[in-house]
Amino acid sequence: AQKVTQAQTEISVVEKEDVTLDCVYETRDTTYYLFWYKQPPSGELVFLIRRNSFDEQNEISGRYSWNFQKSTSSFNFTITASQVVDSAVYFCALSVRDNYGQNFVFGPGTRLSVLP
Amino acid sequence: ETGVTQTPRHLVMGMTNKKSLKCEQHLGHNAMYWYKQSAKKPLELMFVYSLEERVENNSVPSRFSPECPNSSHLFLHLHTLQPEDSALYLCASSPSGETIYGYTFGSGTRLTVV
Repeated sequence: AQKVTQAQTEISVVEKEDVTLDCVYETRDTTYYLFWYKQPPSGELVFLIRRNSFDEQNEISGRYSWNFQKSTSSFNFTITASQVVDSAVYFCALSVRDNYGQNFVFGPGTRLSVLP
Repeated sequence: ETGVTQTPRHLVMGMTNKKSLKCEQHLGHNAMYWYKQSAKKPLELMFVYSLEERVENNSVPSRFSPECPNSSHLFLHLHTLQPEDSALYLCASSPSGETIYGYTFGSGTRLTVV
């Protein structure tokens, strides 16, 4: 099965707290890509990061960091010192090859609310 | 502006109406997509146009009809919709039909069927 699970439906934190969004995936492919997208209230999905299955190095970009653990099939996303502008729905996604060509399998999303 | 523009942003239509959603990109991308985002459901791929070849999700009802006149424009024609079709319809584009480059999404059309 090709599947992405984001167990946290909604998270609320107070500004400046750190928050981790969980993502667990299932895939039969040996080579695959994982993504995180942010969907602010304006609606568009904004690309945050892509990680290929051969690169398990953790990545940091400003206040954002990602922890990829192939052994547990997880690709978690941490926001350090959260800000109100981080409030959005965050989607983890897995690239798959299916009957429709190459496609994404999206997780259900985690709604993050950062309170002032 | 994300580079992918969708119009209208909001649309309310009756079940007997015919309307069209429009998507436009000038990023030089060769693939365009329609996604449906319903409340409490994962994003669902509806249609793909890649290098002018159309691929569709066979579970999409025929009351949704896509059109891609050129690589920059994509339409979704709607007719005799049902209330359960109310959702956010997102258009996306990518340099090719490969997901590894990520997609650029538009802001979506919020459709309400009454």
